[in-house]
Amino acid sequence: TQLLEQSPQFLSIQEGENLTVYCNSSSVFSSLQWYRQEPGEGPVLLVTVVTGGEVKKLKRLTFQFGDARKDSSLHITAAQPGDTGLYLCAGANAGGTSYGKLTFGQGTILTVHP
Amino acid sequence: DARVTQTPRHKVTEMGQEVTMRCQPILGHNTVFWYRQTMMQGLELLAYFRNRAPLDDSGMPKDRFSAEMPDATLATLKIQPSEPRDSAVYFCASGWTGGVYLAKNIQYFGAGTRLSVL
Repeated sequence: TQLLEQSPQFLSIQEGENLTVYCNSSSVFSSLQWYRQEPGEGPVLLVTVVTGGEVKKLKRLTFQFGDARKDSSLHITAAQPGDTGLYLCAGANAGGTSYGKLTFGQGTILTVHP
Repeated sequence: DARVTQTPRHKVTEMGQEVTMRCQPILGHNTVFWYRQTMMQGLELLAYFRNRAPLDDSGMPKDRFSAEMPDATLATLKIQPSEPRDSAVYFCASGWTGGVYLAKNIQYFGAGTRLSVL
């Protein structure tokens, strides 16, 4: 069974601070996705990283996929109250009957105070 | 703006009653997933279908849960009989799986059905 360990579980910071969320596994994934979920809604995809070592930037968000494709991080610069939400990492598998199936981490609840 | 539609959004029922949740996937997507989300367990995959065929339902309690896809525009998740421990938010997601480009295996989630079993 593949597992994704996400840390920290909770993060409460002030507007303007930087933060990093980590997603670790002992398993290799074909790709790693990051989702953000707001209260009362379903998760929404932020980014997909596919290549080991890949770095993607989305405005103030920077996503990195580990060289061995077992871990990933999400870094937010100068956090804003609008960044508040649940952040989920999810690993995808390329082969067999698991094709397309995602393994989700437990999530990080981020609260950014004005 | 294409989206996954789930009904009902909220359901309150009594223990022992049957519950049916419905999902309309995005037109053209070939894979449909059912998830359950709780604070304790996070997001758990219950079952998923590809081209309407069930691929994996190992995450689902088989004695009371059933998932079907009667046609390409409708997926259903039934609980019979329901129990208080089934209280959770149930999400349906759809996506396109296949092809060489791995990044296309993206899942689009509905807004969920919040189920409370008293």
